[in-house]
Amino acid sequence: EPEVTQTPSHQVTQMGQEVILRCVPISNHLYFYWYRQILGQKVEFLVSFYNNEISEKSEIFDDQFSVERPDGSNFTLKIRSTKLEDSAMYFCASSSGEYTDTQYFGPGTRLTVL
Amino acid sequence: DAKTTQPNSMESNEEEPVHLPCNHSTISGTDYIHWYRQLPSQGPEYVIHGLTSNVNNRMASLAIAEDRKSSTLILHRATLRDAAVYYCILRDVQSNTGKLIFGQGTTLQVKP
Repeated sequence: EPEVTQTPSHQVTQMGQEVILRCVPISNHLYFYWYRQILGQKVEFLVSFYNNEISEKSEIFDDQFSVERPDGSNFTLKIRSTKLEDSAMYFCASSSGEYTDTQYFGPGTRLTVL
Repeated sequence: DAKTTQPNSMESNEEEPVHLPCNHSTISGTDYIHWYRQLPSQGPEYVIHGLTSNVNNRMASLAIAEDRKSSTLILHRATLRDAAVYYCILRDVQSNTGKLIFGQGTTLQVKP
């Protein structure tokens, strides 16, 4: 069964450093998402991406964040200058069709900012 | 998306049925009821969804009240692997956004 994959599984970085989290969505999917979950808290929406552009972003997704689909398979989330409060699990998700279609989530990347 | 209310936690015994309730009294006519779950240390996982009629799939059943103000996710025989946080989420079919809005969900414990 096709699945969403994410790398790395765990990323440790120093405050102020740039990180890139990578995702490979399911191959025929068209809609892509990033969510995050701070330890012990709810899963929060960050951004949705369709047709090579951001379709919606949350208040969390400020100028320090960016997303890109650099080729036909990868979908990346970049944080330019990490802060301590960026420490969280980051989940990538994809869906095939319309916005209300089922979203398939990856296993997540645990980001630890020291 | 309209708000949903779920109990914070529930317990079940292994191999017994589990009924997970969700209240959504302000649901609109175009809101679908979706259920996702999150197993420990994993990403959320789709379980089931419905609009008006009860739905069954290999994972679970979804019973929707006639007035649609509440629904119940039914796991027919809970296993230890079903221990997870279960989220009830409303999604408007007319929405131009795909984001899922997660609440706190119901943490299901399954006892052997």
